[in-house]
Amino acid sequence: QVQLQESGPGLVKPSGTLSLSCTVSGGSISNYYWGWIRQPPGKGLEWIGHIYYSGSTNYNPSLKSRVTISVDTSKNQFSLKLSSVTAADTAVYYCARPKYCSSTSCWGFDYWGQGTLVTVSS
Amino acid sequence: DIQMTQSPSSVSASVGDRVTITCRASQGIRSWLAWYQQKPGKAPQLLIYAASSLQTGVPSRFSGSGSGTDFTLTISSLQPEDFATYYCHQGSGFPFTFGPGTKVDIQ
Repeated sequence: QVQLQESGPGLVKPSGTLSLSCTVSGGSISNYYWGWIRQPPGKGLEWIGHIYYSGSTNYNPSLKSRVTISVDTSKNQFSLKLSSVTAADTAVYYCARPKYCSSTSCWGFDYWGQGTLVTVSS
Repeated sequence: DIQMTQSPSSVSASVGDRVTITCRASQGIRSWLAWYQQKPGKAPQLLIYAASSLQTGVPSRFSGSGSGTDFTLTISSLQPEDFATYYCHQGSGFPFTFGPGTKVDIQ
């Protein structure tokens, strides 16, 4: 059974960089796409972006200038960096795996991490 | 961006009721539509993918239909564990987007 676990600081200062990792267990990171989704407290879901195990990425244009998603196949991990954060970036951040993707489309996320709350505050 | 709308935004229902939630995409997304259930403090759980395919392990009282721009999630007989928020999600084109959610609570 594939399991995903987010890790990283729960508090980031304004203008700083949010850095999270997602460790995949119970299966290989190879041959799949992997994504990040966030949810501000009490609000809906926002897709941040995803990465193929080979390293190709797609980002949400609303965040593209600030986001970097990378993968480390040797550690079975992928990571998220979001720069120049503000209070608007306070959210629960989830890592997730799409059930199936073509090069441009995906069928939804069937495996999710438990989520980690990141608060942006001084 | 493809905008997703859901109706209703909330519904009060009783155990045993049939509940229908609709989702509309601002442009055609063929069948690249998924539905999720989310309970407080938990990650979303995939219910339906490809608009009408039931995810493994999901009870058969959940069903999905539609293609193009209009989609429906139906719960045929609401159970106590089904009280939650439901989201639709389009994976047709970047950026992927989610509907605003429909909260199903106890009448």
